[in-house]
Amino acid sequence: EAAVTQSPRNKVAVTGGKVTLSCNQTNNHNNMYWYRQDTGHGLRLIHYSYGAGSTEKGDIPDGYKASRPSQENFSLILELATPSQTSVYFCASGEWGGGGQNTLYFGAGTRLSVL
Amino acid sequence: GDSVTQTEGQVTVSESKSLIINCTYSATSIGYPNLFWYVRYPGEGLQLLLKVITAGQKGSSRGFEATYNKEATSFHLQKASVQESDSAVYYCALSPRGMGYKLTFGTGTSLLVDP
Repeated sequence: EAAVTQSPRNKVAVTGGKVTLSCNQTNNHNNMYWYRQDTGHGLRLIHYSYGAGSTEKGDIPDGYKASRPSQENFSLILELATPSQTSVYFCASGEWGGGGQNTLYFGAGTRLSVL
Repeated sequence: GDSVTQTEGQVTVSESKSLIINCTYSATSIGYPNLFWYVRYPGEGLQLLLKVITAGQKGSSRGFEATYNKEATSFHLQKASVQESDSAVYYCALSPRGMGYKLTFGTGTSLLVDP
């Protein structure tokens, strides 16, 4: 069964430290996405990718980098973590359909706390 | 920019009763957007519940229905008889036509079905 797997599921980091969130998909989808969700907000797009080697900025990219070394893997990197980056992070892969829309397949999320 | 407004917070419904979760949208791009409902069950990632890419049409899945009303800019989610297994968080979302990567989500509505 096609799947999107995130690791770790939970992470506690210190302010100023480096954090890497990993995502692996077996859907063979070209598009992959990183979102964060905070109370009172919908999911907000951080970075996305059209395929291996590509990364694009989403709506809230500041403080984040992304890396897409292969079709299957897409990482989100916080070089200098701050408490404002405490959130739940979701990775997704996307399948193109009619009307130019993407159907997204999400991982279960990573809960990150930056102390 | 685009925005999605849906019923806020938690909704509690008794089993076998009817449900409606309101969703209205504002889209700034040319053409009618694609509309989605995603659902997140406890411990899992979001998954697509239903989508409608043509204004005026209805989507349905697992007993849920939503009609794309372009005049009212609404996409309310309804179910005639809920079950305890429907307890989850429901997200309304849109993407501009031809820009499928650019999904805008509502804040989510938590549904609790009382047995």
